[in-house]
Amino acid sequence: QVTLRESGPALVKPTQTLTLTCTFSGFSLNTTGMCVSWIRQPPGKALEWLAGIDWDGDKYYDTSLKTRLTVSKDTSKNQVVLTMTDMDPVDTATYFCARIIYGAGEAFDFWGQGTLVTVSS
Amino acid sequence: QSALTQPPSASGSPGQSVTISCTGTSSDVGGYKYVSWYQQHPGKAPKLMIYEVDKRPSGVPDRFSGSKSGSTASLTVSGLQTEDEADYYCGSYGGGNNFVFGTGTKVTVL
Repeated sequence: QVTLRESGPALVKPTQTLTLTCTFSGFSLNTTGMCVSWIRQPPGKALEWLAGIDWDGDKYYDTSLKTRLTVSKDTSKNQVVLTMTDMDPVDTATYFCARIIYGAGEAFDFWGQGTLVTVSS
Repeated sequence: QSALTQPPSASGSPGQSVTISCTGTSSDVGGYKYVSWYQQHPGKAPKLMIYEVDKRPSGVPDRFSGSKSGSTASLTVSGLQTEDEADYYCGSYGGGNNFVFGTGTKVTVL
């Protein structure tokens, strides 16, 4: 079955760079149409789409955050990595990775459990 | 892109229906058929309930239905059950492989 799991630091200091890893199973990011996205949710607030990378290696970023975000994949390890530079307390959130299949409804059908990242000195 | 607009809250008694709206623009909801809805219980990951405006993934009860008119999509939960109490988010494809979510609606079962 399809599973995704996020991992990374629970606490980062302001101005530091955050690196999160999404390890998935049950599908291949080499398969046409497959994409893994990153989505975050500040405590008590709404979901916010951040970035995605697809089977072809194409990358997509939220316009307002694109200067701070980098997404990459390691297909052999079934991992997608998100880096976010210059972290600020407002970036405190639960970060989720989720799968989307282009051509199959363009919806996030499987999600990781999320990892809470707190930005504080 | 700006977040899609949802009412902050909605409520209904068990067995009743509740409808949640999701308003966007011609660049997202109004421009594509790719509107989805997610249910999120406290401390849990979102769960896909509706995709492509009105399609239900396997395992989602048919009490959940979706529709769209222009730049406004709607989710209706019929025959409310206590386990339906949760936060609900709409999502839309926004072109250029970008996505946008709604502001979220807390559904309370009275």
